[in-house]
Amino acid sequence: SQQGEEDPQALSIQEGENATMNCSYKTSINNLQWYRQNSGRGLVHLILIRSNEREKHSGRLRVTLDTSKKSSSLLITASRAADTASYFCATDGVIQGAQKLVFGQGTRLTINP
Amino acid sequence: DVKVTQSSRYLVKRTGEKVFLECVQDMDHENMFWYRQDPGLGLRLIYFSYDVKMKEKGDIPEGYSVSREKKERFSLILESASTNQTSMYLCATGDVPMNTEAFFGQGTRLTVV
Repeated sequence: SQQGEEDPQALSIQEGENATMNCSYKTSINNLQWYRQNSGRGLVHLILIRSNEREKHSGRLRVTLDTSKKSSSLLITASRAADTASYFCATDGVIQGAQKLVFGQGTRLTINP
Repeated sequence: DVKVTQSSRYLVKRTGEKVFLECVQDMDHENMFWYRQDPGLGLRLIYFSYDVKMKEKGDIPEGYSVSREKKERFSLILESASTNQTSMYLCATGDVPMNTEAFFGQGTRLTVV
């Protein structure tokens, strides 16, 4: 079953605007990660936030984490056409003593020039 | 640079064939994962492995098996390919514990006809 669920499923904005994507999850986590996927390719790691952190920045990316609400958001500021991609959140989970990475369904972001 | 290499970018197989998808990593990671990705469903975990010869079922293991004879290689096997296994298959690796990023291969687009 999916642990993380992204919202919205699709987002279309004008270049230069900010894009915000949300992720909700169900169980306790040690960390939450965000990944990006260009069409038809593998996923690329963007940022990791630990459960004891509330906010993290990396360039134009800002991630927040609210463990009480089991939710996270990814903000991309001053968007560019090259930001067009799908974005996924992933949480760590444990099954039979082994850690695994569980992904949500993703948000498809389109930046219009 | 970490490299996660999947044996094929595109693959076309016939119904009933036995299909092998290979994944090789060069980072000495303990964890390796196989996901399939379908539109609207995000990434779903098929199997994962946290050590040589160790494997755990993910969320959708039916119709698949895996092999991890060497640490760097994780194979996904479709015992008898069916059309509903047409999908994008993604291999990923990561350290234990999963509190750092995972690295993905470029994906294999499998079509079963």
